Amino acid sequence: EAEVAQSPRYKITEKSQAVAFWCDPISGHATLYWYRQILGQGPELLVQFQDESVVDDSQLPKDRFSAERLKGVDSTLKIQPAELGDSAMYLCASSLTRDSYEQYFGPGTRLTVT
Amino acid sequence: AQTVTQSQPEMSVQEAETVTLSCTYDTSESDYYLFWYKQPPSRQMILVIRQEAYKQQNATENRFSVNFQKAAKSFSLKISDSQLGDAAMYFCAYRSPRGGSEKLVFGKGTKLTVNP
Repeated sequence: EAEVAQSPRYKITEKSQAVAFWCDPISGHATLYWYRQILGQGPELLVQFQDESVVDDSQLPKDRFSAERLKGVDSTLKIQPAELGDSAMYLCASSLTRDSYEQYFGPGTRLTVT
Repeated sequence: AQTVTQSQPEMSVQEAETVTLSCTYDTSESDYYLFWYKQPPSRQMILVIRQEAYKQQNATENRFSVNFQKAAKSFSLKISDSQLGDAAMYFCAYRSPRGGSEKLVFGKGTKLTVNP
């Protein structure tokens, strides 16, 4: 069964350092989402891609976060510099199209900033 | 903006018993989708059940069913014959209709413990 892949699964970094997360959606899925899940909270959307284009990045802290999906397949989310408050689970999800109701989630990357 | 509220941070149930998880939401849209997602420990989130707001009939998926009360903006999940594998965080989520935002708006979740 096809799954969304994410790496690394766990990342510990010191504040002010740069960190990057990678996501490979299910093959053929045009829409890709990055969510952030703070401990004890539900996930919140950071950025949404349709193919290689950004559809929604209204909640992305653009002074330190960046995201790209250059060839419309896999995606990278970067934080530079990391802050203590960035400690969270970063989830990637994909769907076949923008209209597809079901989003398929990856296992997430748990980030700890010390 | 839409909001989703899960008022039960934790719930527990005995194996083989039935449990109901609560969810309320706020929206001005007349058509939308509602979901329950399950997030087991250290595993990815998976879709349990969905409900389209225009459908009056409550959705059912095997042991999982919902009680959708559109006027009350309530969307509860009932798990029958609870199994140890049902232990997880459960998130209620809202999505706007086609043509609107595709993002999921989640509640804070309910941690379900299943006791043997």
